[in-house]
Amino acid sequence: KAGVTQTPRYLIKTRGQQVTLSCSPISGHRSVSWYQQTPGQGLQFLFEYFSETQRNKGNFPGRFSGRQFSNSRSEMNVSTLELGDSALYLCASSLGRQGTEAFFGQGTRLTVV
Amino acid sequence: AQSVTQLDSHVSVSEGTPVLLRCNYSSSYSPSLFWYVQHPNKGLQLLLKYTSAATLVKGINGFEAEFKKSETSFHLTKPSAHMSDAAEYFCVVSDGGTDKLIFGTGTRLQVFP
Repeated sequence: KAGVTQTPRYLIKTRGQQVTLSCSPISGHRSVSWYQQTPGQGLQFLFEYFSETQRNKGNFPGRFSGRQFSNSRSEMNVSTLELGDSALYLCASSLGRQGTEAFFGQGTRLTVV
Repeated sequence: AQSVTQLDSHVSVSEGTPVLLRCNYSSSYSPSLFWYVQHPNKGLQLLLKYTSAATLVKGINGFEAEFKKSETSFHLTKPSAHMSDAAEYFCVVSDGGTDKLIFGTGTRLQVFP
């Protein structure tokens, strides 16, 4: 069974640009969540999609957005990049039921210069 | 609101000695609790989960954790550390009826030969 796949693994962008990250969940999983990991703030929840609908949202500015397609694949977009957006972005997939474990991808390392 | 507190930011042990990583949680009702491990430049791997069944939970690679409601604790233990256990460990609580995961700040485990 294939795991969670995130692409690309590494990205370097310039301030002001926008970026799109992709996540393919485990087959059969309908929930995809996104997390930002930085040395200063640790792991923070961005948002969760379930069956193409945003079900939960964290405390991030509107520059961070996402979507989910009918095949459960998800994309995350960050517009008008800032230096502070440099982070490891992790995607997690799960069945979407309370208490079920989440399986994480290896992440996309975004560097904003 | 749910939260977790990892009591130690760093733990150092010798190979072959026991490991104890401490975690306290705060929850207004019966929580779902998890331990995840993250090796350098890798995603997060689930070690074990507690979802109101047995209070002693066994996980992968010889790890286990005990849910103690009276102490609001969910400490992670392993009888004998291996060099490959060196990594960052996260205690995680599920936010109520959602898939949102709330992470502790992490404990970096060092294992010396």
